[in-house]
Amino acid sequence: ILNVEQSPQSLHVQEGDSTNFTCSFPSSNFYALHWYRWETAKSPEALFVMTLNGDEKKKGRISATLNTKEGYSYLYIKGSQPEDSATYLCARIHNAGKSTFGDGTTLTVKP
Amino acid sequence: EAQVTQNPRYLITVTGKKLTVTCSQNMNHEYMSWYRQDPGLGLRQIYYSMNVEVTDKGDVPEGYKVSRKEKRNFPLILESPSPNQTSLYFCASSSKTGVRTDTQYFGPGTRLTVL
Repeated sequence: ILNVEQSPQSLHVQEGDSTNFTCSFPSSNFYALHWYRWETAKSPEALFVMTLNGDEKKKGRISATLNTKEGYSYLYIKGSQPEDSATYLCARIHNAGKSTFGDGTTLTVKP
Repeated sequence: EAQVTQNPRYLITVTGKKLTVTCSQNMNHEYMSWYRQDPGLGLRQIYYSMNVEVTDKGDVPEGYKVSRKEKRNFPLILESPSPNQTSLYFCASSSKTGVRTDTQYFGPGTRLTVL
């Protein structure tokens, strides 16, 4: 198993706060990294696909960066809202369909 | 509508009674996977399939079997379920051509309890 680690495990912020969390992965033989958002009682939904060193992706108030040389990706949420409360998962994609997920960061945004 | 479906959504069974969880996708995806999710842990890949009749073990394959006889279907089989297989199971699919650039599409999940 190639470890993917996410930190922190959980995060509690106030509405309006900006926050960020980390996904760390082995830097060798990098193929792709995916970010997913997972709300309770629902299925994980895709946020970003990161493939190239230095990639920066943005969707509304959420953005992500990728450093494949040092093996990490950051997810940023600007001005958190209660509806951002969810578990955020990153997954290291190997070729041919194999993927390894981190344990996730659970974000709770208090009104 | 593009989707991945799983059945059943909820299942309570007893130790040793064989069961099958079905998974079907209508997006003509080559890649399909099964994951389990346990409290405090992320998704752990059980098995994955690259195409019809091509499957491989993920990180936690013990106690499970899969088959891929048709492109759209990828059933998960528990020949002799045990209580440690109580979990939330997700099926997912993705396209081969976009495997690096396209994400996985997940089914709604199956919550399995083995007594």
